[in-house]
This record gives sequence, structure tokens and C-alpha cells, in this order.
Amino acid sequence: AQSVSQHNHHVILSEAASLELGCNYSYGGTVNLFWYVQYPGQHLQLLLKYFSGDPLVKGIKGFEAEFIKSKFSFNLRKPSVQWSDTAEYFCAVTMQTGANNLFFGTGTRLTVIP
Amino acid sequence: DGGITQSPKYLFRKEGQNVTLSCEQNLNHDAMYWYRQDPGQGLRLIYYSQIVNDFQKGDIAEGYSVSREKKESFPLTVTSAQKNPTAFYLCASSIGRRVDGYTFGSGTRLTVV
Repeated sequence: AQSVSQHNHHVILSEAASLELGCNYSYGGTVNLFWYVQYPGQHLQLLLKYFSGDPLVKGIKGFEAEFIKSKFSFNLRKPSVQWSDTAEYFCAVTMQTGANNLFFGTGTRLTVIP
Repeated sequence: DGGITQSPKYLFRKEGQNVTLSCEQNLNHDAMYWYRQDPGQGLRLIYYSQIVNDFQKGDIAEGYSVSREKKESFPLTVTSAQKNPTAFYLCASSIGRRVDGYTFGSGTRLTVV
């Protein structure tokens, strides 16, 4: 069965620090990859997605993620975080063929200290 | 504005009672999904529906039921058979079979006392 691992459960950073959140998935086929963000009290929103092509994808609010197929990873990065980035971040995976359900990781809570 | 509406935002029920959570979308999306979100466990799929009058079980369907009589609506019933129903429930939709990202509702927090 597919699974998505996010090893960082809670990350605390000061403003302007760099961010990298890990995401690994277990599936041998071709996948689509997503990062979602949930700001306090708000909907889940799509940050960025990867379907094919350039493995380095850029999303909203200065976030980017790199797909490394050999490592089954899709880590999220941001060079300089802001207090407003405080949120919960979810990595998600779906297969490109067959059922199109999204499998989510357990989430990483990011707290940015001003 | 197109989107997904989940109601109510907060719901309290006594143990042993069935309760139905509403999810309506005006995005003309074919597929709809119900997820349960628990602290430290991420989102887990309960049920999904690709087209009207058809739906499939997700990873944690036991104790839940759904219907999809209209494209716009995908209500979720939490039955008394669900052993731990207190949770945050999220509804989502997507365009057809190709998952180009989901649109999520704002969620319903169910508390069973």
C-alpha cells in the first residue's frame, strides 16, 4: 500500500531562517506529488505540485520543492521563513494511473518565532 | 464564488446517535472525497465518489456511510458503529479522474459526548 512519511512532526524556526521539510513516499510507479498548507483556522490550500518535467517546482509564497525519484522524496523548502508561514504542512501523493486518491502524510507543524 | 461548503462547522452529538455531515460544491467537479483529520495522523480517506450514484470505501470506511444522489452533494453519515467518531472531517472535490489538486471545504468538527 502507498504511504507518505513526514518525519518532522513539529519544526520551530526564527524568522529569516531557512526551511526544509522532508517527505518520502513508498510507491514504485509514477506519481503526482503535492504539498498542502493549513494556516490556523483556514482551509487546506495547495502550495505546489509536481506531475512531470523539471523536478524543481516553485509554488506560492516563495516555497519550492524538489522531486528526487531515486530517493522517493519531495522535500519542501523556503530560503527565508516569515512569521506568517506558521501553519501545518502536508505532503500528498497520488498515482498517475488507476485510482486517483490522494494519500497524505501525517503533517508537519511549523512555528515561526518573530 | 465557487467552492465547497461544509455544514455545520461544529457539531455535538450523544454517543449512540447517527449524525450526517453536509458537503456541497458548486465547482462542477465530478469527484468528491471525505477525509478524517486527527492530530498526528494526517488526513485519512473515508469514502470517495467519482460519479453520481457511485462511491467507494477509503482506508477507514468502517462506521461511516455516504450517498451521492446529486453531483453537487456528498453527505457523510457517522453511525453509532464508529468507535471513535470525535474528529475533524474534511470534504474535498476534484475534476474527474485526473487529480489536479483537490479543493477542500472548511471542515466540520464533530464531538461525541
